[in-house]
Amino acid sequence: DGGITQSPKYLFRKEGQNVTLSCEQNLNHDAMYWYRQDPGQGLRLIYYSQIVNDFQKGDIAEGYSVSREKKESFPLTVTSAQKNPTAFYLCASSPAGGIGNTIYFGEGSWLTVV
Amino acid sequence: KNEVEQSPQNLTAQEGEFITINCSYSVGISALHWLQQHPGGGIVSLFMLSSGKKKHGRLIATINIQEKHSSLHITASHPRDSAVYICAVRSATGNQFYFGTGTSLTVIP
Repeated sequence: DGGITQSPKYLFRKEGQNVTLSCEQNLNHDAMYWYRQDPGQGLRLIYYSQIVNDFQKGDIAEGYSVSREKKESFPLTVTSAQKNPTAFYLCASSPAGGIGNTIYFGEGSWLTVV
Repeated sequence: KNEVEQSPQNLTAQEGEFITINCSYSVGISALHWLQQHPGGGIVSLFMLSSGKKKHGRLIATINIQEKHSSLHITASHPRDSAVYICAVRSATGNQFYFGTGTSLTVIP
């Protein structure tokens, strides 16, 4: 079945460490997104990519990095520069922009700094 | 600034009640989405609307493009409907999505 796979589901990070969250989709979607969700807040965009080898910063990109070397994959690295990384992270994908295109989400990854 | 505003933020209902969640947006859109997020975090899309009304089982979604407003209705609510419901809009350019903060619904047996 087609879908988005995020891993790991739960991740603990020590302060000062970089961690990478995986996101893979087999929906043949061009666009992929990373969002952060904090309690009481809506999803906030970290990075998005409309095409392979290209990506744009979202509203809260500081302390994060991404790559888009393959259409199916859009990993997110949470660097030590991110001061408050404990959150729920969601990866999403959609076909290229236009009317009639929905968005699909992965199951999310819980990151906790210890 | 919030491009998408939802109300209420929290909602508790008795089983069987009719429920309405409202969403207003301030940007030009190509489509509006209603999403459901269960405990554990995964999000699924319930509806995608660009005009009018859609119905799926006990769920009904409406949109008024002129007023930039949408509603999600749940008829004969059930405890399994307990979840967070999120309104999201796709920008008119098609490149970005904007999300409301969600409505946490609890249906009591």
